[in-house]
Amino acid sequence: QVQLQESGPGLVKSSKTLSLTCSVSGGSINSYYWSWLRQSPGKGLEWIGYIHHSGRPNYNPSLQSRVTISVENSKNLFSLTLTSVTAADTAVYFCARAGTAGSYYRAEGRFFYSSYMDVWGKGTPVIVSS
Amino acid sequence: EVVMTQSPDTLSVSPGERATLSCRASQSVTTNLAWYQQKPGQPPRLLIYGASTRDTGVPARFSGGGSGTDFTLTISNLQSEDFAVYYCQQYNNWLTFGGGTKVEL
Repeated sequence: QVQLQESGPGLVKSSKTLSLTCSVSGGSINSYYWSWLRQSPGKGLEWIGYIHHSGRPNYNPSLQSRVTISVENSKNLFSLTLTSVTAADTAVYFCARAGTAGSYYRAEGRFFYSSYMDVWGKGTPVIVSS
Repeated sequence: EVVMTQSPDTLSVSPGERATLSCRASQSVTTNLAWYQQKPGQPPRLLIYGASTRDTGVPARFSGGGSGTDFTLTISNLQSEDFAVYYCQQYNNWLTFGGGTKVEL
């Protein structure tokens, strides 16, 4: 049974960079898309982006300029970096696995995969302080 | 961006009753719609994908329906463990969530 575990600092100073890692256990990171999402009282659940095990990322347009998601297949983990954070980035951050029965849509001249999340990590709270 | 609107915000029901939750999309998402259950301090749990397909292990009292812009999640014979917040999520165009419906006693 696949399990996901987020790790990283729970407190980040405003204007700095937030970095989180998601470790995948009980299964291989190969053959799936992996996602980061966050949840805050003000914005609800928000998708941040995907990474395919081959390394192709796909980001929420509203965060694209500040987000990088990468994958390390040999370590069975993937990571999130969010730059220039503000108080609005305070949230519980989740990593999740995308289901295999999603859909493809076309944007910016390319096709992107999108799906539901069938396995979630427990989440890690991140507070951005001034 | 596809905006997902859930109603009602809160639904008061008693154990054994049926609960019907609604989710509306601002444009057609065909059947690329999922439902999740979330309890305090826990991550969301996938219940339904493809608008009507139950995920593995999800009790049969949970059923999903709809297509295009209007969707429903029905919980029949509500059990005590079903009191939670429920979210819909579209994955037809990027990925967006509704604001949630709280099912309470």
